[in-house]
Amino acid sequence: GAGVSQSPRYKVAKRGQDVALRCDPISGHVSLFWYQQALGQGPEFLTYFQNEAQLDKSGLPSDRFFAERPEGSVSTLKIQRTQQEDSAVYLCASSPRTGAYNEQFFGPGTRLTVL
Amino acid sequence: GIQVEQSPPDLILQEGANSTLRCNFSDSVNNLQWFHQNPWGQLINLFYIPSGTKQNGRLSATTVATERYSLLYISSSQTTDSGVYFCAVVTGAQKLVFGQGTRLTINP
Repeated sequence: GAGVSQSPRYKVAKRGQDVALRCDPISGHVSLFWYQQALGQGPEFLTYFQNEAQLDKSGLPSDRFFAERPEGSVSTLKIQRTQQEDSAVYLCASSPRTGAYNEQFFGPGTRLTVL
Repeated sequence: GIQVEQSPPDLILQEGANSTLRCNFSDSVNNLQWFHQNPWGQLINLFYIPSGTKQNGRLSATTVATERYSLLYISSSQTTDSGVYFCAVVTGAQKLVFGQGTRLTINP
């Protein structure tokens, strides 16, 4: 079956532009996560959805970051007024159920470069 | 929050060698996963192993939850094993907390 997919794979934005990153989780997966990976670092948690409900957004670095999952499947991470420090790889993961005892599966990521 | 430390940070080996990667964590965990990040950035699931031992081909992993560490063993290394290996844990919340990774380079 299909894995987690993300688009675009690469995005170049000028500072101040808004960007939208898309994640298609594995079909039927209830939980969806966004992570940010800076160069040379491990991924860091941004936000978590259970179906359409955003249950944890403690990792979003500023109010310029916004995520949604309106129908409980596809999710979009939006970054407004991009800054150079937003340059990173944004990873999406999904998990079949809720709860901590579930394996997460990752998409290929979107590499965002802000000039 | 929980701290996850991986060692060594870098490892360079010849093809055919064996290796052991370690992951220490500072608190009790509900979930532990090992990943391989390939040169294209894709995180590939290796093991879901909150406790016990698992094996998959040339790879095996052991987690000793009571002592707060996990080990990943790679035997008979191949050049395609090169990349960064991450350990990640889940505590009470459902988010994964990653270590800094071990960069493995296998030379032919």
